[in-house]
Amino acid sequence: QKEVEQNSGPLSVPEGAIASLNCTYSDRGSQSFFWYRQYSGKSPELIMSIYSNGDKEDGRFTAQLNKASQYVSLLIRDSQPSDSATYLCAVTWGGGFKTIFGAGTRLFVKA
Amino acid sequence: GAVVSQHPSRVICKSGTSVKIECRSLDFQATTMFWYRQFPKQSLMLMATSNEGSKATYEQGVEKDKFLINHASLTLSTLTVTSAHPEDSSFYICSARGGDTQYFGPGTRLTVL
Repeated sequence: QKEVEQNSGPLSVPEGAIASLNCTYSDRGSQSFFWYRQYSGKSPELIMSIYSNGDKEDGRFTAQLNKASQYVSLLIRDSQPSDSATYLCAVTWGGGFKTIFGAGTRLFVKA
Repeated sequence: GAVVSQHPSRVICKSGTSVKIECRSLDFQATTMFWYRQFPKQSLMLMATSNEGSKATYEQGVEKDKFLINHASLTLSTLTVTSAHPEDSSFYICSARGGDTQYFGPGTRLTVL
């Protein structure tokens, strides 16, 4: 049974701080890794994708992947109240045909 | 970026009626689309995987005769909730696969009275 685990939170950080969101996965054959953001009452939107070990930066967001530890994380620098949302980790394998989503971590950024 | 639309965005219907929800990939072709359901404060629940030109694959516990899925073209999949009941009220979200990435539609909020 392939699994993707996330701490449900809520994770609360002050405005301007770094928010760190973590995700672990069970299948070593996993190939692609994604972070989605979901605001309350809305559908998920893609923030980042990462495919190889190391860091990938996009604006205030940095995705980190460690395949040996089966661990992927998302760092949000200079957190803003508008970043308050649920963040979903997704892991894909089988050439992209199979994807599992984590249950999501709720983030609150306090002004 | 890839755009996925859903229609309608919101529907209210009486118990016993059927409701059709459309999911379209606007700027790319999607051989595979997914249908999810999400109850308040809960995580996404995959209902079925829709493949163009073939029968959908339903997740365990999802009634295929109640949730009819048709993927007639590379840009359109439809979900029909047949004989809807109040317990079917939920947020239904489709996604379309482009490469190895899923792109989500904006969702349809269904309320069954």
